[in-house]
Amino acid sequence: GAVVSQHPSWVICKSGTSVKIECRSLDFQATTMFWYRQFPKQSLMLMATSNEGSKATYEQGVEKDKFLINHASLTLSTLTVTSAHPEDSSFYICSATGGGNNQPQHFGDGTRLSIL
Amino acid sequence: RKEVEQDPGPFNVPEGATVAFNCTYSNSASQSFFWYRQDCRKEPKLLMSVYSSGNEDGRFTAQLNRASQYISLLIRDSKLSDSATYLCVAFNDYKLSFGAGTTVTVRA
Repeated sequence: GAVVSQHPSWVICKSGTSVKIECRSLDFQATTMFWYRQFPKQSLMLMATSNEGSKATYEQGVEKDKFLINHASLTLSTLTVTSAHPEDSSFYICSATGGGNNQPQHFGDGTRLSIL
Repeated sequence: RKEVEQDPGPFNVPEGATVAFNCTYSNSASQSFFWYRQDCRKEPKLLMSVYSSGNEDGRFTAQLNRASQYISLLIRDSKLSDSATYLCVAFNDYKLSFGAGTTVTVRA
């Protein structure tokens, strides 16, 4: 089946550090990638949608200057949490799809981000 | 109001029992529905799609009621390995909307 690789799986950083998370589709071309965030005991919340070669579309309430998304190729999207603070500590998950409304989303393993 | 709402549980059941739970969705235009399983803050994994006519996959049965805007999941003959959080998901256009999950714990 389709595989999405996310790296790193766990990050612990000091406050003020910028953290980059990578999401790669290993065996298919991902025209669209999604970034989600999940706080403990809460649902996954969509942060942004990125289409290869264009600017990401951010959900309401998500700061685009805080969460930089780059989708430069059909197999790689990156999320950079700039100047991370403890309130940014969360579980970040990417998903990727080959496109079209009925294409399934394949999820990465997730990145647990802890900001001290 | 959240797009997808679920009873958080937990549902604690003995092995072999049947457990069922629902979720409700607010967007009547939602096109498709799914149940995902999530273990211990790992990535969600697709358990099954939900069709209007209801569908079954082994011990799992899903139902969709569009008139009342709810989806159900029933697990028969529950196993210890079924212990997880079950996420109800609605799909509209490109976007998946997740419920907060229902936790099921199966005890020996």
